Amino acid sequence: NAGVMQNPRHLVRRRGQEARLRCSPMKGHSHVYWYRQLPEEGLKFMVYLQKENIIDESGMPKERFSAEFPKEGPSILRIQQVVRGDSAAYFCASSPPVAPETQYFGPGTRLLVL
Amino acid sequence: GEDVEQSLFLSVREGDSSVINCTYTDSSSTYLYWYKQEPGAGLQLLTYIFSNMDMKQDQRLTVLLNKKDKHLSLRIADTQTGDSAIYFCALKGGYNKLIFGAGTRLAVHP
Repeated sequence: NAGVMQNPRHLVRRRGQEARLRCSPMKGHSHVYWYRQLPEEGLKFMVYLQKENIIDESGMPKERFSAEFPKEGPSILRIQQVVRGDSAAYFCASSPPVAPETQYFGPGTRLLVL
Repeated sequence: GEDVEQSLFLSVREGDSSVINCTYTDSSSTYLYWYKQEPGAGLQLLTYIFSNMDMKQDQRLTVLLNKKDKHLSLRIADTQTGDSAIYFCALKGGYNKLIFGAGTRLAVHP
């Protein structure tokens, strides 16, 4: 059973461009979470999704950030018009419907904005 | 809001026990976790404890929970160089989100 997959692992963007981060949860997992880790800090919750639904987006910045988890395919975290402050590691986690308290993390996408 | 505090650094000698501490403010959390992060990698779930437990042991790992003092600790017995990493304490918040501390960087030296 493959773990949580994220791609790309590294992403470089110039200011003003768009960044798209993808997350494929573990097989059988229908809950996806996105977290952001700034350098030398802990992870901060961004958004919690189930298939086709956003359950909690209390940690998402109000502008430029959006997330989706369609019926088919991976979850996508989209950052429009990136700024240098968006440079961070973005982690996705997934959990099964029967044990939502147990989250398994992917390897992360490291975004660098030039 | 919820707050999770950890000391930033811990240095131990190989073979000794390591104790990583965590304090928190939200007493309503039902699950408390320890994750390990190695350089450039994602987070590995080490263990978790339900809030109605005081202790959980899993091989070299022992978790102690003091609900009165809102204190969680992780003890690693016979610490090895491969245990060098950042250890994160986390609490389950509303809607299953995890609230993390800033992490404790464990350095194991010979």
